[in-house]
Amino acid sequence: DAGVIQSPRHEVTEMGQEVTLRCKPISGHDYLFWYRQTMMRGLELLIYFNNNVPIDDSGMPEDRFSAKMPNASFSTLKIQPSEPRDSAVYFCASSLTAGAADTQYFGPGTRLTVL
Amino acid sequence: QKEVEQNSGPLSVPEGAIASLNCTYSDRGSQSFFWYRQYSGKSPELIMSIYSNGDKEDGRFTAQLNKASQYVSLLIRDSQPSDSATYLCAVNPNQAGTALIFGKGTTLSVSS
Repeated sequence: DAGVIQSPRHEVTEMGQEVTLRCKPISGHDYLFWYRQTMMRGLELLIYFNNNVPIDDSGMPEDRFSAKMPNASFSTLKIQPSEPRDSAVYFCASSLTAGAADTQYFGPGTRLTVL
Repeated sequence: QKEVEQNSGPLSVPEGAIASLNCTYSDRGSQSFFWYRQYSGKSPELIMSIYSNGDKEDGRFTAQLNKASQYVSLLIRDSQPSDSATYLCAVNPNQAGTALIFGKGTTLSVSS
């Protein structure tokens, strides 16, 4: 298996622009997680899906952030409009279950810079 | 607010020494505990999981869990420069619909 795939790997944009991050989970995994990592706040869970349904989006910082999972093999995280404080590394991860006994496999991440 | 606390470090140890990484958590009902390793510029990868009080060994790594003290640790024996990374502690609060909670990580530096 190719593992969790994320695109783009790097994104540089200007404040106010729309940003879309993409993720393809490992085939057969029922759970998909979106995280944001910064030096100050560490690894923060933004939202996670079970069988394409959003379960917990309490970590989504603002209405500017939205996430979708239209099918089992694809998810997007959108920021509109983007702000400099959104600069971070965004990770997507997938697992067979939400956490009790299964490993979360992380994608390589998208490094977002908002100027 | 459920929390997972780690000393950010850096923790510096010489090659061949034992590195001890510590983590405390606030939710007494937590049942599952994980250690992830993250190299600079890379994504986290799972290296150890532990569910019961006591020690769990895997090669040079030993995870220790004390639920009464709400404390989990990771020992790395015979530390190598390749162990230099950030180690993230993650806890499963074991509540339906709740995902892992990660600490901010401890940076380990092993000098040769």
